[in-house]
Amino acid sequence: GDSVTQMEGPVTLSEEAFLTINCTYTATGYPSLFWYVQYPGEGLQLLLKATKADDKGSNKGFEATYRKETTSFHLEKGSVQVSDSAVYFCALLSGNTPLVFGKGTRLSVIA
Amino acid sequence: SQTIHQWPATLVQPVGSPLSLECTVEGTSNPNLYWYRQAAGRGLQLLFYSVGIGQISSEVPQNLSASRPQDRQFILSSKKLLLSDSGFYLCAWSVEGRRNEKLFFGSGTQLSVL
Repeated sequence: GDSVTQMEGPVTLSEEAFLTINCTYTATGYPSLFWYVQYPGEGLQLLLKATKADDKGSNKGFEATYRKETTSFHLEKGSVQVSDSAVYFCALLSGNTPLVFGKGTRLSVIA
Repeated sequence: SQTIHQWPATLVQPVGSPLSLECTVEGTSNPNLYWYRQAAGRGLQLLFYSVGIGQISSEVPQNLSASRPQDRQFILSSKKLLLSDSGFYLCAWSVEGRRNEKLFFGSGTQLSVL
């Protein structure tokens, strides 16, 4: 079945460091790909998405490019802030089934 | 605007006791509704989803059940809780339609079964 694999956390970075959270997927057909973020004490919210190969999703300084050849959708940010501390979930949508999420990666940014 | 309410925020229950978590959505009609569980080390797991009143799809066999007695109400239940039911439960909704990617999540319920 469809699945998403993302890097194990936690990830701890200093403020202004470069962030990469890896995500790879397995799916039949041509899925849409997403990153959701969960800030402390809150539910998840959509961060960015890409619906076809080579699309780049971006929001709040985060970016991810849909790479069909490597079945990847890595999340990047050039300079993280303390306020970016959260759990990040990669997800895919394929066919008519609901979203499939990865296990989540906890990011802690220290000042 | 649409809002989603989920309660309680935290819950501590003994093993073998019943469970009822409620989720309601306002400001939209016939939403798709979802229950997810976030357990330590296991990520976010879809438990149930519903595309309409009385229509429940179960993704994994388990000790839990779900019901949708009204269009915008989704209830997660158990007759007898197990230790393994501990986790963070999230309700979510999406716009009617089968291929909708944007989920709107509630603030979650932290359930501890002791």
